[in-house]
Amino acid sequence: DAEITQSPRHKITETGRQVTLACHQTWNHNNMFWYRQDLGHGLRLIHYSYGVHDTNKGEVSDGYSVSRSNTEDLPLTLESAASSQTSVYFCASGTSGTDTQYFGPGTRLTVL
Amino acid sequence: DQQVKQNSPSLSVQEGRISILNCDYTNSMFDYFLWYKKYPAEGPTFLISISSIKDKNEDGRFTVFLNKSAKHLSLHIVPSQPGDSAVYFCAASDQTSGSRLTFGEGTQLTVNP
Repeated sequence: DAEITQSPRHKITETGRQVTLACHQTWNHNNMFWYRQDLGHGLRLIHYSYGVHDTNKGEVSDGYSVSRSNTEDLPLTLESAASSQTSVYFCASGTSGTDTQYFGPGTRLTVL
Repeated sequence: DQQVKQNSPSLSVQEGRISILNCDYTNSMFDYFLWYKKYPAEGPTFLISISSIKDKNEDGRFTVFLNKSAKHLSLHIVPSQPGDSAVYFCAASDQTSGSRLTFGEGTQLTVNP
């Protein structure tokens, strides 16, 4: 069955460290998205991609970067982790022409 | 600027009764609306959607109503079951957003046995 996976599921890191969160989907979807979930804010878009080598900034992109070298993967990198980036991160994917997105199980990141 | 708002952080209902979750939006360009359900430690899962050309869409126990003039949508769950206890997010998109979704803050629904 097609799926979308995220790793690690939990991560604790220190301020200033570089962190990369993995997202892998086997739906063969062109569109991939990264969100963070914080209490009182719902899901906010960090970065998104419409295909290989395409990346775009979302509403809360500062301090984050992504790269898309193949269809299946969109890793999210925190260049220098900050305590404000403590959150739950969700990856999602979807096909072009439809707005329905399918979400991964999430990564809980704690920055100390 | 919160374009999609869910003003009730939580809702508690009895099993068997109706649950009504509400969502308001400000962007008149939004033309497609979705509801997602999220259990703890899991990702959101798609529940039901509605296009702006409709005012109602039904799927089993779940019905979404859209009032475009009021920029308001609601999700009705009838009858409510304990397994429906979860956080519900509404989301919206428009034709220029390229499949990007704007989410509300979420409403925690608790269905009591």
